[in-house]
Formats: sequence, C-alpha cells, structure tokens
Amino acid sequence: GESVGLHLPTLSVQEGDNSIINCAYSNSASDYFIWYKQESGKGPQFIIDIRSNMDKRQGQRVTVLLNKTVKHLSLQIAATQPGDSAVYFCAEKTYNDDMRFGAGTRLTVKP
Amino acid sequence: KAGVTQTPRYLIKTRGQQVTLSCSPISGHRSVSWYQQTPGQGLQFLFEYFSETQRNKGNFPGRFSGRQFSNSRSEMNVSTLELGDSALYLCASSLEYQSGEAFFGQGTRLTVV
Repeated sequence: GESVGLHLPTLSVQEGDNSIINCAYSNSASDYFIWYKQESGKGPQFIIDIRSNMDKRQGQRVTVLLNKTVKHLSLQIAATQPGDSAVYFCAEKTYNDDMRFGAGTRLTVKP
Repeated sequence: KAGVTQTPRYLIKTRGQQVTLSCSPISGHRSVSWYQQTPGQGLQFLFEYFSETQRNKGNFPGRFSGRQFSNSRSEMNVSTLELGDSALYLCASSLEYQSGEAFFGQGTRLTVV
C-alpha cells in the first residue's frame, strides 16, 4: 500500500535571527529530555538536555525550556547560522524505559 | 576519543536474506541502544544492551535481535528481510545504563530489494 511519510514541521529563519523550535511530549512521567540535531547523512547529534526538576537550561547559543504543566519543550537557538540547518528532534525518557523521539522539525537558515 | 562506529555504512540485501550490523561504542561506554529511522515512522527504539544483557526492547518482531559482547561492542541481526526493513539503523552509546546522554553513530543504511 501507499506509505504515509511523517509530515515534518518546518521553520525557516534568516541568518542572525533567533530560532525557536517547539515540541510537545506525551508522557507526564518523563523526567529527562534531550534535543538532538541531525544533519543530512549523519546520525543525531546531542545538543542539550534537561531534567524535569529544572525549567530552563542554557548552553552555547542554545536554551531549552521545559513546561511540565502543558508537557511542552522548546529549543531556542540564538543568532542562527547556516550551519544550524538540520532536523531537530526532541526526545523524552523515563527511568528504566526507552528514549522516545518526536517527529522532528526541519530548520532552514536563509543567508 | 573516537565516536560511535557503525559498520557497514551501506548495505543492499535481498528479501528473505538476513543481515548483521555492528556497532562499536565510545571507549568506556557500557550501554548500547539501537534505533530504526524511516521517513514514514521516524526514529523508533529497537533495543538497549548493558553488560551483555538486553535491558529494554521496542515494539519490533522477533526477526530483530541483538547482542552485546564483553567489550561492549554490539551487533544487531535482522532475519528474513522484508522490503519494509529498508531504513537507517542507528546505534547510540551511553556511559551507563539509563545514564541519559546518548551519542549516535552515523548509521547503517540498509536497502532491501
């Protein structure tokens, strides 16, 4: 039969602008969350993580925000660069369970 | 420090055949997880190994199996290949079981014809 592909949300930003990528997670018991970046032809690359006892964590040019009330996770990328163009996945995890990935968001940075 | 190494990078097999994929984790990492990535289903968990024991298994048929060796290297095997098994198979290693941060290899692209 016909295969139905995942509809990847897309985000297009201008170089130098800030990007915000959103993710809704499914399990209220999840206590660990990770953002991965996947470039074409490569495996996912760890960007930043956050545990459920925090609501914000900052890295280099990236910030992750966690809102447990509405089960929402976001990744903010400051001063987006062409090299940031990729598919971004959020992942959620509970202890003793496997990591579950979202469908991903394709970020395109226009020069 | 070398990253996660997966071999081979590309593979073409015929329906009905079997295939074995290999993953060498980052030195010192003891946990290895396997994922299947397809355009239709995204990233799906296959299984996780730690200390040579399978600790978690995803929702895949018994044709998918794996093992881990004493040096933490892991292999996964798919028997009686089907066209739908065509995918990118990714391996990720972590320091310990359930330790969180996982580092992925570049994957093995399997095409079943």
